[in-house]
Amino acid sequence: AQSVTQPDIHITVSEGASLELRCNYSYGATPYLFWYVQSPCQGLQLLLKYFSGDTLVQGIKGFEAEFKRSQSSFNLRKPSVHWSDAAEYFCAVGGAAGNKLTFGGGTRVLVKP
Amino acid sequence: DSGVTQTPKHLITATGQRVTLRCSPRSGDLSVYWYQQSLDQGLQFLIQYYNGEERAKGNILERFSAQQFPDLHSELNLSSLELGDSALYFCASSPRSLGGRSSPLHFGNGTRLTVT
Repeated sequence: AQSVTQPDIHITVSEGASLELRCNYSYGATPYLFWYVQSPCQGLQLLLKYFSGDTLVQGIKGFEAEFKRSQSSFNLRKPSVHWSDAAEYFCAVGGAAGNKLTFGGGTRVLVKP
Repeated sequence: DSGVTQTPKHLITATGQRVTLRCSPRSGDLSVYWYQQSLDQGLQFLIQYYNGEERAKGNILERFSAQQFPDLHSELNLSSLELGDSALYFCASSPRSLGGRSSPLHFGNGTRLTVT
């Protein structure tokens, strides 16, 4: 069965500082990996995705993520956080066509001024 | 704006009642997914439809059912509601069953259900 673990429930970061959110997945085949962001009272917005190829993927809002097969990880990073990045972030894994996405428990990011 | 429309935005009802949540996928998307987000369970996959047919089933209770209509909109029916059914229900859509290499799931803003 596929699963996703986001070890950090909350992260507090100062505005302008760097941010890294951890994601570990379990999947029997080649995974499709995603990061979504959920702002208060909003739906889930796709930040970036990994299907194959270059293991460093760029997304929207200045985010990037690196796929490390050996570590079963897909960590999300941003070099300099803005106050508007305060939100909850979800990592998700899926597989071949027809499979659902499985989400991690989420990491809530608070941004200090 | 993801292009996925969910109605209503909020729903308050009593235990034992039945409600219907509606989802209109993005134009051209054939797959619709329903997810439940609650504080204790996180984001849980409920069910997926593809071009009118059920494609995958997750942790969906027997009291819950869904369907996708010929115009591709979908409805999630929740019956005999319990307090624990209070949650945010998301609909997502994609062009294919998973979405293919360049089309992951696009989510609506959800329907917040409160059961009192």
